[in-house]
Parts: sequence; C-alpha cells; structure tokens
Amino acid sequence: DAKTTQPPSMDCAEGRAANLPCNHSTISGNEYVYWYRQIHSQGPQYIIHGLKNNETNEMASLIITEDRKSSTLILPHATLRDTAVYYCLLYNQGGKLIFGQGTELSVKP
Amino acid sequence: DGGITQSPKYLFRKEGQNVTLSCEQNLNHDAMYWYRQDPGQGLRLIYYSQIVNDFQKGDIAEGYSVSREKKESFPLTVTSAQKNPTAFYLCASRPHGKQGSSYEQYFGPGTRLTVT
Repeated sequence: DAKTTQPPSMDCAEGRAANLPCNHSTISGNEYVYWYRQIHSQGPQYIIHGLKNNETNEMASLIITEDRKSSTLILPHATLRDTAVYYCLLYNQGGKLIFGQGTELSVKP
Repeated sequence: DGGITQSPKYLFRKEGQNVTLSCEQNLNHDAMYWYRQDPGQGLRLIYYSQIVNDFQKGDIAEGYSVSREKKESFPLTVTSAQKNPTAFYLCASRPHGKQGSSYEQYFGPGTRLTVT
C-alpha cells in the first residue's frame, strides 16, 4: 500500500503557482520524498526529490515540513502543459517505489 | 539518443495466448522494472531486476514472467494465466544507486495491451 496521501484532483489557473500537498505521516528517518508526474498515456517523469531540506530545480520546488510528515510540490508558474497526474512517493535504499493514485492537476486558461 | 524503448505502442492478442513485451535501454542502467497501470489507477510493480541474470517479484507477479539475460533488455511475458491482462505496461530503469538519494527512475513510453 502507498504510504502517502494526496488529494485526488486540483485545479490551477494558468500562470499561477500550483501547490500540490502530500501527507506521509509514517515516513521513516531514512526515507526520501520523491515526486513524479504522468501526462496522459505516457510514462511517468521524475520531477524532484528531497530528504529534509527544501529543494528547487528547473521544474519545481519541494517544501518538506520540519517533522517530515508532509510536503508540498510547487510549480511556480503553471502552464497548460503541466496538466498531469502528480505522484508523491517515499523511497529508502533497498526499497521499492510504491505509486499511489496521485493528484490529477488541471491547469486552466 | 539515450533512453528506454518499448515496442509496440499498441498490442492486441486473443485470450489464451502468451505475449511478450519488449523493453530496451541504452542508458547503461543496472536496475530495470516492469509496472502495470489500469485506468484511473497508479502504477503497480510486477517484476524488477537489480542486475543481469537476477530478478525479483513485485506486488502483482502472478501470471507474468521475465528474463534478464542482457543488461540492456528486460522482456516481460504476459501468460495465459494472467486473468486480466488488458492494461498499460510501463518499463523503467535506473542507475546503480549510491547511498540514499539516487532512485530516479527513467520510464519508457509504455505498451497498451488489449486482450479479447
């Protein structure tokens, strides 16, 4: 079973920031938070990951709470091409990625 | 170009037939994975292989078989024993991970299998 909980769907206006939440209250100390997204009928695409510090790359920012029980993926200026299902996953070395149902983000003009 | 290829993109078979889905990568990755995705659902792990000539069952291995004779290839056979084979099948690979953080998986474009 997935160890993360995400809202099933969210809407965002084009050009605005999209903030996607994820709860992982049972996260272990050595587990990383990973985010992937899947555009319809394509393979998932890696976005970002982090352990406890906030992370930023060219695609997104990842904010992890101090107790590590939740995180937020931020797409700073959402475009129509960001419409996809976003998956939040946990991983520790030697483990497996377990995908939940994710959040279906719809970016609207 | 480096990447993962899956072929064909669409595959149709009659019930009772075995079918093999191909997955090839030229990324020199050690680990490879097969997932299944049903409509509106997340991905479920079928089999994975960390090194050549070795593989492990995932969460839904029944009715499937794999082989890993070469580093770059990880074919999946959907056997007639798989009760509901119609699904979207995704292959992924990743480099040998160091401590902790290198678990980025690279996914292929997928094969949509329809069995009637």
